[in-house]
Amino acid sequence: AQTVTQSQPEMSVQEAETVTLSCTYDTSENNYYLFWYKQPPSRQMILVIRQEAYKQQNATENRFSVNFQKAAKSFSLKISDSQLGDTAMYFCAFSNSGGSNYKLTFGKGTLLTVNP
Amino acid sequence: NAGVMQNPRHLVRRRGQEARLRCSPMKGHSHVYWYRQLPEEGLKFMVYLQKENIIDESGMPKERFSAEFPKEGPSILRIQQVVRGDSAAYFCASSPGTGRETQYFGPGTRLLVL
Repeated sequence: AQTVTQSQPEMSVQEAETVTLSCTYDTSENNYYLFWYKQPPSRQMILVIRQEAYKQQNATENRFSVNFQKAAKSFSLKISDSQLGDTAMYFCAFSNSGGSNYKLTFGKGTLLTVNP
Repeated sequence: NAGVMQNPRHLVRRRGQEARLRCSPMKGHSHVYWYRQLPEEGLKFMVYLQKENIIDESGMPKERFSAEFPKEGPSILRIQQVVRGDSAAYFCASSPGTGRETQYFGPGTRLLVL
């Protein structure tokens, strides 16, 4: 079974600075998908970024980028130029590309607070 | 294009009552997924449905929980005889297909059992 571990329950960062959230996962699959979702105080789940394991290039979406280390099974999220609106719970998630590829497995989340 | 819609957003039930949670997927999406988020936890997969079919219900509790996605209308997650441990946020997601398709989430329904 796949597992996703987020070792940082809480983090804080000053506005305009850069912060990195950690995520590791365990799988025996060779191809799979990794995601970061954001859950602000409104509790809505919002997709931040997605990475396909067969792609070596790290995904980037504006201020959000990932450092995908397949051999180390690590998938960290870097937020540059942090904004107050980035304050949220961030969840790392995994899905394989096999038969049950629709089933997202989530980590427990990291609560990020951006301070003014 | 409206996103995934869930209602009600908040639901309060007393122990022993029934809870019905509704989910309307995004336009053009025929695949629906339900997840449960307990306090201080990540989301956990419950069930995957396509129109009129339950594809995978491996994450559903064996009793009291059921789900459907009829040909017409929203997907329904039904919890009979609720207990306090059912208190959680229930999220619905949808996608146009599976595998490589990203799942888009609704705002969730917060169920509180008194």
